[in-house]
Amino acid sequence: DVKVTQSSRYLVKRTGEKVFLECVQDMDHENMFWYRQDPGLGLRLIYFSYDVKMKEKGDIPEGYSVSREKKERFSLILESASTNQTSMYLCASRHNRRGNTEAFFGQGTRLTVV
Amino acid sequence: RKEVEQDPGPFNVPEGATVAFNCTYSNSASQSFFWYRQDCRKEPKLLMSVYSSGNEDGRFTAQLNRASQYISLLIRDSKLSDSATYLCVVNKPGPYGNKLVFGAGTILRVKS
Repeated sequence: DVKVTQSSRYLVKRTGEKVFLECVQDMDHENMFWYRQDPGLGLRLIYFSYDVKMKEKGDIPEGYSVSREKKERFSLILESASTNQTSMYLCASRHNRRGNTEAFFGQGTRLTVV
Repeated sequence: RKEVEQDPGPFNVPEGATVAFNCTYSNSASQSFFWYRQDCRKEPKLLMSVYSSGNEDGRFTAQLNRASQYISLLIRDSKLSDSATYLCVVNKPGPYGNKLVFGAGTILRVKS
């Protein structure tokens, strides 16, 4: 059974804190993604990693950074959390092949910044 | 303009109805397309890929019109369990790999 696991389902952090969201996949996928999902806006791509130590900015990278030191793990870092980063964060992974390869998602982390 | 646009709904339909969702995309270089389903408070899951010739999976039919940059999903004989948000997803090619671009989703509520 394929699996993408996010470290926390719910997090509450204070403004200004450094926040780490962890994601691990067991499918040997090359590509990993971090999205945030907000009502009415859908899923928006924050960062994308296409290989170990390789990353590319998505549509809304400001205020975030990422780390991919091992193939199976992709971390999202909020350098100094702000209230407008309160959101649902979803990690996904997929093979890097041509064609219609399925992306698998973690269960999501609901982050509240107070 | 958003890269992937969908009618947000909600679509409220009775059981047994046929319902269709539409989606348009702006990047003509996109080659792969998908419909994902997301249940309330759950992660998105692949419903079906969309092929050029159109494809069917049971009660679900997906169509692609490349010339108009338009994708559709048809659900026949709706069930209560079909109630969910349906996400139109487009594969956006890039120099290092393909990114998935999501529409905001269409909410479907099937009522008895």
